[in-house]
Amino acid sequence: AQSVAQPEDQVNVAEGNPLTVKCTYSVSGNPYLFWYVQYPNRGLQFLLKYITGDNLVKGSYGFEAEFNKSQTSFHLKKPSALVSDSALYFCAVGRRGNMLTFGGGTRLMVKP
Amino acid sequence: DTGVSQDPRHKITKRGQNVTFRCDPISEHNRLYWYRQTLGQGPEFLTYFQNEAQLEKSRLLSDRFSAERPKGSFSTLEIQRTEQGDSAMYLCASSLAMWRTGLNTEAFFGQGTRLTVV
Repeated sequence: AQSVAQPEDQVNVAEGNPLTVKCTYSVSGNPYLFWYVQYPNRGLQFLLKYITGDNLVKGSYGFEAEFNKSQTSFHLKKPSALVSDSALYFCAVGRRGNMLTFGGGTRLMVKP
Repeated sequence: DTGVSQDPRHKITKRGQNVTFRCDPISEHNRLYWYRQTLGQGPEFLTYFQNEAQLEKSRLLSDRFSAERPKGSFSTLEIQRTEQGDSAMYLCASSLAMWRTGLNTEAFFGQGTRLTVV
């Protein structure tokens, strides 16, 4: 079985500050890891993924994530947060493609 | 192509009625997925198709649920004898997988169908 944990229901950060949204996973074998963002009344939007290769993955809108195998983590980061980044963020682990197991989500609030 | 589209966007039904949702994936995508998302939770995998073949079903997909993708293009998800516990957002996603090249794109999600069972 595979699982994902997002330990923070909400993350608050001031605009211009760096942000981190945490994710840890459990899976047998090599993980396929994803971050998606969900804005109100809009579908899930893909941000980035880790399949293999460089542990630092760069994605859309200036986001990046670092794969840490020893800590089984895949934290989402951005050097400078924008108010428009405020949304619900989901970490997911996949097997055989896109049969994804999602975490419970973390609401990011960026305040001006 | 405007992405994955789902119809209807909202559905209110009385308990015990049958409902059917439609998903139109991105046209060249050969894989199609259904997920369910309840309030305050992450999406949960229900089932997926490779072309017209339904290759995997979650244990969440009870006998009252049936999904089809008859021509390998659009898909329908039917829920029979709806229960209040079926109230959720039903998300469809699609992706392109090509084994010969190793290509497997990420899943692109539609906006979902919100079902309310009263």
